[in-house]
Amino acid sequence: QVQLQESGPGLVKPSQTLSLTCTVSGGSISSGSYYWSWIRQPAGKGLEWIGRIYTSGSTNYNPSLKSRVTISVDTSKNQFSLKLSSVTAADTAVYYCARDWLAGTYNWFDPWGQGTLVTVSS
Amino acid sequence: SYELTQPPSVSVSPGQTASITCSGDKLGDKYACWYQQKPGQSPVLVIYQDSKRPSGIPERFSGSNSGNTATLTISGTQAMDEADYYCQAWDSIHVVFGGGTKLTVL
Repeated sequence: QVQLQESGPGLVKPSQTLSLTCTVSGGSISSGSYYWSWIRQPAGKGLEWIGRIYTSGSTNYNPSLKSRVTISVDTSKNQFSLKLSSVTAADTAVYYCARDWLAGTYNWFDPWGQGTLVTVSS
Repeated sequence: SYELTQPPSVSVSPGQTASITCSGDKLGDKYACWYQQKPGQSPVLVIYQDSKRPSGIPERFSGSNSGNTATLTISGTQAMDEADYYCQAWDSIHVVFGGGTKLTVL
């Protein structure tokens, strides 16, 4: 059974770059036709999709974040990563990674990681 | 940009049927899915492709999607079903979530 685990600094200073890694266990990140996504949730608010990557390196990003987001994959480590630049307090959120079942023109996320809280503060 | 609208809250008595709606322009032409999120926990997929249940999700969870509205229905609602529920769809390669609905079982 595939499991995902986020890791990275819990505190980032304003204007700096947020960096997180998602480690996939219980299966190869390269097996099957899955994408891998990052999603975030500010405290008390809803879910916001950040972007996705395929193991070929192909990416899609949320248009509202596209200028600041980079998602990459390291198949040798069974990991994919998120970088969000020029962060502000508005980027404070719980960040989730998830397996993205993309099938033509629809998708769903399953499973999700446990999430990691990132706070942007000086 | 595409938007999905959910009611902020829905209340239901134990044992009754809860319906949570998700509205979007021509949503019935897309596939919708639903997630359950309990406090302090990660979201869990409960319905995908409008009406399919993942393994391990109780049969009391069902879904439909037509016109501009997708609906998550919970039959025989139990106290353990109290949670936030989010709909999600895919629009022009981008993912869209609804704002979430807090289901209260009282």
